[in-house]
Amino acid sequence: NAGVTQTPKFRVLKTGQSMTLLCAQDMNHEYMYWYRQDPGMGLRLIHYSVGEGTTAKGEVPDGYNVSRLKKQNFLLGLESAAPSQTSVYFCASSYPGQPQHFGDGTRLSIL
Amino acid sequence: DQQVKQNSPSLSVQEGRISILNCDYTNSMFDYFLWYKKYPAEGPTFLISISSIKDKNEDGRFTVFLNKSAKHLSLHIVPSQPGDSAVYFCAANFGNEKLTFGTGTRLTIIP
Repeated sequence: NAGVTQTPKFRVLKTGQSMTLLCAQDMNHEYMYWYRQDPGMGLRLIHYSVGEGTTAKGEVPDGYNVSRLKKQNFLLGLESAAPSQTSVYFCASSYPGQPQHFGDGTRLSIL
Repeated sequence: DQQVKQNSPSLSVQEGRISILNCDYTNSMFDYFLWYKKYPAEGPTFLISISSIKDKNEDGRFTVFLNKSAKHLSLHIVPSQPGDSAVYFCAANFGNEKLTFGTGTRLTIIP
Protein backbone atom coordinates (compact mmCIF):
# COMPACT_ATOMS: atom_id res chain seq x y z
CA ASN A 1 0.00 0.00 0.00
CA ALA A 2 1.91 3.02 -1.31
CA GLY A 3 -0.45 5.74 0.01
CA VAL A 4 0.32 9.05 -1.74
CA THR A 5 3.09 8.98 -4.34
CA GLN A 6 4.59 12.10 -5.89
CA THR A 7 6.61 12.15 -9.10
CA PRO A 8 9.31 13.44 -9.55
CA LYS A 9 11.07 13.86 -6.19
CA PHE A 10 13.48 16.53 -7.47
CA ARG A 11 13.56 18.76 -10.50
CA VAL A 12 15.52 21.78 -11.70
CA LEU A 13 13.93 24.01 -14.31
CA LYS A 14 14.94 27.12 -16.16
CA THR A 15 12.74 30.21 -16.02
CA GLY A 16 9.98 29.94 -18.60
CA GLN A 17 9.99 26.16 -18.87
CA SER A 18 6.89 24.14 -18.16
CA MET A 19 6.39 20.95 -16.23
CA THR A 20 3.79 18.76 -14.59
CA LEU A 21 3.95 17.25 -11.13
CA LEU A 22 2.05 14.01 -10.68
CA CYS A 23 0.30 12.86 -7.53
CA ALA A 24 -1.20 9.38 -7.27
CA GLN A 25 -3.12 7.90 -4.35
CA ASP A 26 -4.27 4.32 -3.88
CA MET A 27 -6.65 4.88 -0.93
CA ASN A 28 -9.75 5.72 -3.02
CA HIS A 29 -9.87 9.18 -1.42
CA GLU A 30 -12.34 11.70 -2.78
CA TYR A 31 -10.36 14.79 -1.89
CA MET A 32 -6.90 15.72 -3.18
CA TYR A 33 -4.75 18.78 -2.54
CA TRP A 34 -1.59 20.52 -3.69
CA TYR A 35 0.44 22.60 -1.22
CA ARG A 36 3.71 24.45 -1.34
CA GLN A 37 6.03 24.81 1.62
CA ASP A 38 8.41 27.73 1.86
CA PRO A 39 10.75 28.64 4.74
CA GLY A 40 8.90 30.37 7.56
CA MET A 41 5.53 30.11 5.83
CA GLY A 42 4.18 26.67 6.61
CA LEU A 43 2.07 24.86 4.02
CA ARG A 44 -0.06 26.96 1.70
CA LEU A 45 -2.86 25.48 -0.38
CA ILE A 46 -2.47 25.96 -4.14
CA HIS A 47 -5.44 24.04 -5.59
CA TYR A 48 -7.64 21.21 -4.44
CA SER A 49 -10.24 18.79 -5.74
CA VAL A 50 -13.29 17.29 -4.05
CA GLY A 51 -13.86 14.67 -6.71
CA GLU A 52 -12.97 13.40 -10.16
CA GLY A 53 -13.36 16.16 -12.74
CA THR A 54 -13.56 18.98 -10.17
CA THR A 55 -10.93 21.49 -9.08
CA ALA A 56 -10.92 24.65 -6.99
CA LYS A 57 -8.48 27.41 -6.12
CA GLY A 58 -6.70 27.56 -2.81
CA GLU A 59 -4.75 30.32 -1.14
CA VAL A 60 -1.95 30.74 -3.75
CA PRO A 61 -3.24 29.50 -7.15
CA ASP A 62 -1.58 32.02 -9.48
CA GLY A 63 0.86 30.51 -11.96
CA TYR A 64 -0.45 26.96 -11.50
CA ASN A 65 -3.07 24.80 -13.14
CA VAL A 66 -4.44 21.43 -12.06
CA SER A 67 -6.43 18.54 -13.46
CA ARG A 68 -8.22 15.58 -11.88
CA LEU A 69 -9.19 13.38 -14.82
CA LYS A 70 -9.00 10.21 -12.74
CA LYS A 71 -9.98 9.83 -9.10
CA GLN A 72 -6.57 8.53 -8.11
CA ASN A 73 -4.49 11.18 -9.87
CA PHE A 74 -4.08 14.92 -9.34
CA LEU A 75 -1.72 16.82 -11.63
CA LEU A 76 -0.14 20.19 -10.93
CA GLY A 77 1.14 22.16 -13.92
CA LEU A 78 3.48 25.10 -14.19
CA GLU A 79 3.03 26.64 -17.64
CA SER A 80 5.91 29.14 -17.43
CA ALA A 81 8.09 28.57 -14.39
CA ALA A 82 9.32 31.55 -12.38
CA PRO A 83 12.02 31.68 -9.66
CA SER A 84 9.28 32.54 -7.13
CA GLN A 85 7.91 29.04 -7.69
CA THR A 86 11.04 27.46 -6.23
CA SER A 87 9.60 25.48 -3.35
CA VAL A 88 8.80 22.06 -1.95
CA TYR A 89 5.45 20.83 -3.24
CA PHE A 90 3.29 18.41 -1.28
CA CYS A 91 0.28 16.47 -2.44
CA ALA A 92 -2.31 15.16 0.00
CA SER A 93 -5.52 13.18 -0.13
CA SER A 94 -8.36 12.38 2.26
CA TYR A 95 -11.87 11.15 2.74
CA PRO A 96 -14.33 13.98 3.51
CA GLY A 97 -13.93 15.14 7.10
CA GLN A 98 -10.88 12.95 7.71
CA PRO A 99 -7.20 13.90 8.21
CA GLN A 100 -5.18 14.38 5.07
CA HIS A 101 -2.45 11.92 4.04
CA PHE A 102 0.62 13.50 2.47
CA GLY A 103 3.19 12.40 -0.06
CA ASP A 104 6.89 12.91 0.54
CA GLY A 105 7.13 16.03 -1.58
CA THR A 106 8.73 17.29 -4.78
CA ARG A 107 11.64 19.68 -4.42
CA LEU A 108 11.53 22.10 -7.35
CA SER A 109 14.20 24.68 -8.17
CA ILE A 110 13.67 27.33 -10.84
CA LEU A 111 16.85 28.98 -12.09
CA ASP B 1 -3.12 37.58 7.41
CA GLN B 2 -1.89 34.49 9.24
CA GLN B 3 -5.00 32.90 10.71
CA VAL B 4 -3.07 30.11 12.45
CA LYS B 5 0.09 31.12 14.27
CA GLN B 6 2.89 29.17 15.85
CA ASN B 7 4.99 31.84 17.48
CA SER B 8 7.87 29.61 18.55
CA PRO B 9 9.96 28.55 15.55
CA SER B 10 11.95 26.14 17.68
CA LEU B 11 11.90 24.35 21.03
CA SER B 12 14.48 22.18 22.80
CA VAL B 13 13.46 19.74 25.54
CA GLN B 14 15.36 17.20 27.59
CA GLU B 15 14.53 13.57 26.92
CA GLY B 16 11.93 12.32 29.39
CA ARG B 17 10.53 15.77 30.12
CA ILE B 18 7.31 17.28 28.80
CA SER B 19 7.24 19.09 25.45
CA ILE B 20 4.57 21.76 25.03
CA LEU B 21 3.92 23.18 21.59
CA ASN B 22 1.57 26.12 21.21
CA CYS B 23 -0.71 27.39 18.48
CA ASP B 24 -2.99 30.43 18.30
CA TYR B 25 -5.74 31.15 15.81
CA THR B 26 -7.73 34.22 14.91
CA ASN B 27 -10.73 32.82 13.03
CA SER B 28 -13.50 31.99 15.54
CA MET B 29 -15.24 29.93 12.84
CA PHE B 30 -12.60 27.19 13.05
CA ASP B 31 -14.18 24.06 14.53
CA TYR B 32 -11.62 21.30 13.97
CA PHE B 33 -7.94 21.36 14.80
CA LEU B 34 -5.12 18.97 13.93
CA TRP B 35 -1.45 18.47 14.65
CA TYR B 36 0.92 17.07 12.05
CA LYS B 37 4.49 15.91 12.52
CA LYS B 38 7.12 16.21 9.80
CA TYR B 39 10.54 14.62 9.50
CA PRO B 40 13.12 15.97 7.00
CA ALA B 41 12.57 14.83 3.40
CA GLU B 42 9.20 13.32 4.29
CA GLY B 43 5.64 14.55 4.10
CA PRO B 44 3.68 15.61 7.19
CA THR B 45 1.95 12.79 9.04
CA PHE B 46 -1.22 13.20 11.06
CA LEU B 47 -0.69 13.03 14.81
CA ILE B 48 -3.83 14.00 16.72
CA SER B 49 -6.93 16.15 16.33
CA ILE B 50 -9.63 17.82 18.40
CA SER B 51 -13.10 19.07 17.68
CA SER B 52 -14.26 22.41 19.02
CA ILE B 53 -16.88 20.66 21.16
CA LYS B 54 -14.06 19.20 23.27
CA ASP B 55 -11.31 20.81 25.30
CA LYS B 56 -8.97 17.84 25.50
CA ASN B 57 -8.07 14.80 23.44
CA GLU B 58 -5.49 12.21 24.43
CA ASP B 59 -3.68 9.52 22.45
CA GLY B 60 -0.89 7.75 24.28
CA ARG B 61 1.92 10.20 25.00
CA PHE B 62 0.18 12.96 23.06
CA THR B 63 -2.52 15.27 24.42
CA VAL B 64 -4.07 18.25 22.69
CA PHE B 65 -5.78 20.98 24.69
CA LEU B 66 -8.17 23.53 23.22
CA ASN B 67 -9.06 26.84 24.86
CA LYS B 68 -11.73 28.37 22.66
CA SER B 69 -12.11 31.58 24.62
CA ALA B 70 -8.38 32.28 24.19
CA LYS B 71 -8.31 30.85 20.65
CA HIS B 72 -5.36 28.73 21.70
CA LEU B 73 -4.42 25.09 21.42
CA SER B 74 -1.43 23.21 22.68
CA LEU B 75 0.16 19.82 22.13
CA HIS B 76 1.72 18.07 25.11
CA ILE B 77 4.15 15.21 24.62
CA VAL B 78 5.11 13.30 27.73
CA PRO B 79 7.56 11.77 28.17
CA SER B 80 9.52 13.23 25.25
CA GLN B 81 11.63 10.79 23.26
CA PRO B 82 14.44 11.33 20.72
CA GLY B 83 12.16 10.14 17.92
CA ASP B 84 9.86 13.08 18.67
CA SER B 85 12.44 15.46 17.19
CA ALA B 86 10.63 16.86 14.15
CA VAL B 87 8.74 19.89 12.90
CA TYR B 88 5.19 20.12 14.24
CA PHE B 89 2.43 21.93 12.37
CA CYS B 90 -0.96 22.83 13.76
CA ALA B 91 -3.84 23.19 11.32
CA ALA B 92 -7.47 24.24 11.48
CA ASN B 93 -10.63 24.22 9.40
CA PHE B 94 -14.28 25.20 9.74
CA GLY B 95 -16.48 22.50 8.32
CA ASN B 96 -15.10 22.48 4.82
CA GLU B 97 -12.43 20.56 3.07
CA LYS B 98 -9.63 23.13 3.37
CA LEU B 99 -7.01 23.24 6.11
CA THR B 100 -5.13 26.35 7.23
CA PHE B 101 -1.66 25.52 8.54
CA GLY B 102 0.61 27.29 10.99
CA THR B 103 4.26 27.95 10.19
CA GLY B 104 5.58 25.07 12.28
CA THR B 105 7.71 24.56 15.38
CA ARG B 106 10.94 22.58 15.23
CA LEU B 107 11.17 20.36 18.32
CA THR B 108 14.55 19.00 19.33
CA ILE B 109 14.75 16.37 22.06
CA ILE B 110 18.09 16.43 23.83
CA PRO B 111 19.31 12.98 25.00
